[in-house]
Amino acid sequence: AQKVTQAQTEISVVEKEDVTLDCVYETRDTTYYLFWYKQPPSGELVFLIRRNSFDEQNEISGRYSWNFQKSTSSFNFTITASQVVDSAVYFCALSPRGGSEKLVFGKGTKLTVNP
Amino acid sequence: GAGVSQSPSNKVTEKGKDVELRCDPISGHTALYWYRQSLGQGLEFLIYFQGNSAPDKSGLPSDRFSAERTGGSVSTLTIQRTQQEDSAVYLCASSLGQGYTEAFFGQGTRLTVV
Repeated sequence: AQKVTQAQTEISVVEKEDVTLDCVYETRDTTYYLFWYKQPPSGELVFLIRRNSFDEQNEISGRYSWNFQKSTSSFNFTITASQVVDSAVYFCALSPRGGSEKLVFGKGTKLTVNP
Repeated sequence: GAGVSQSPSNKVTEKGKDVELRCDPISGHTALYWYRQSLGQGLEFLIYFQGNSAPDKSGLPSDRFSAERTGGSVSTLTIQRTQQEDSAVYLCASSLGQGYTEAFFGQGTRLTVV
């Protein structure tokens, strides 16, 4: 069975602070994909990143960076110099390879960035 | 269309009535997914279509829930004899298909059963 845990339910920071959102996953598959999605107040889920299980290189995209560590089954997301527009619910998700390609989501972390 | 389109955006229905929710995926996307987002429950997978067939419908919560997809495009999620616990946001997503690529989500249908 697959499971994604986002232990942080809510985080509140002040603008320009760095913030890290934690994601821990469980799977018995050797091949899988990990994702982060952003859900702003408008409600639509916005894709941020996909990472496959064979690629442990960290990724940086502007103020966003992701740290994938198979040894600890974690795929953490860091926002540097946070902005008010980063306020949203962030979901980490896992896609098992083979069979259906459904996403297994964590329960999300609500990030509030205060001015 | 440019994105995944869902209709209606909001639906209020009386307990016991049937409802149909519609999803128009991105043109050319062969995979289509339905998810449900309830308060405190996160996002739950309901059903996955590849083309017109549904290889995984393991997330449908009861036999009151059904879905179909025609022409490899539009999908309809039907809930019969709605109950108050069916109240949620129903999200549809599509992707290019097997060999997993990113899934694009619609804005959702907010269903309220009164």
